[in-house]
Amino acid sequence: DGGITQSPKYLFRKEGQNVTLSCEQNLNHDAMYWYRQDPGQGLRLIYYSQIVNDFQKGDIAEGYSVSREKKESFPLTVTSAQKNPTAFYLCASRGQLNTEAFFGQGTRLTVV
Amino acid sequence: RKEVEQDPGPFNVPEGATVAFNCTYSNSASQSFFWYRQDCRKEPKLLMSVYSSGNEDGRFTAQLNRASQYISLLIRDSKLSDSATYLCVVNTPYKLSFGAGTTVTVRA
Repeated sequence: DGGITQSPKYLFRKEGQNVTLSCEQNLNHDAMYWYRQDPGQGLRLIYYSQIVNDFQKGDIAEGYSVSREKKESFPLTVTSAQKNPTAFYLCASRGQLNTEAFFGQGTRLTVV
Repeated sequence: RKEVEQDPGPFNVPEGATVAFNCTYSNSASQSFFWYRQDCRKEPKLLMSVYSSGNEDGRFTAQLNRASQYISLLIRDSKLSDSATYLCVVNTPYKLSFGAGTTVTVRA
């Protein structure tokens, strides 16, 4: 089945560690996005990529990094510079600029 | 000013009631609009796209008012399963901006 897959579903990180969240899609979509959601709040854009080997900072990019080496994959690294990383992270993709986005099931990251 | 603003609610309504809520957006260049539904601790899922003439999908009706820069969603004959957070999504070139969501609880 076509879709977008995030892993892991739950992730625990010690303070000072970098962690990488995986996002893979087989929808042949050019555009991919990473959002962060905190309890009771909306989605905030971290990074987005319109095409392979290109990506742009979103509204809250500090403390995060991404890569887009393959069309199917858009991993997000949460670095130790991110002061408050505990959140629900959502990856999305879409085929054309004005169409809807499809979401993965999310990764819930907790700092312990 | 936030790019997309929604009435957070919560709207607490009995089964069978009609509930409606709005969303306003700030960027007049916005090109497409959507309503997503998000259940607790789950990913958002597309409820409906919003077309300029307004559109209906079963018990759900969406309206767009470009002049006043708002979008509305109306739910008729509410079901218990309609309890969720409804996210207003506005597309500006290259990115989607999300409202914080409107929480709807339908009670028996």
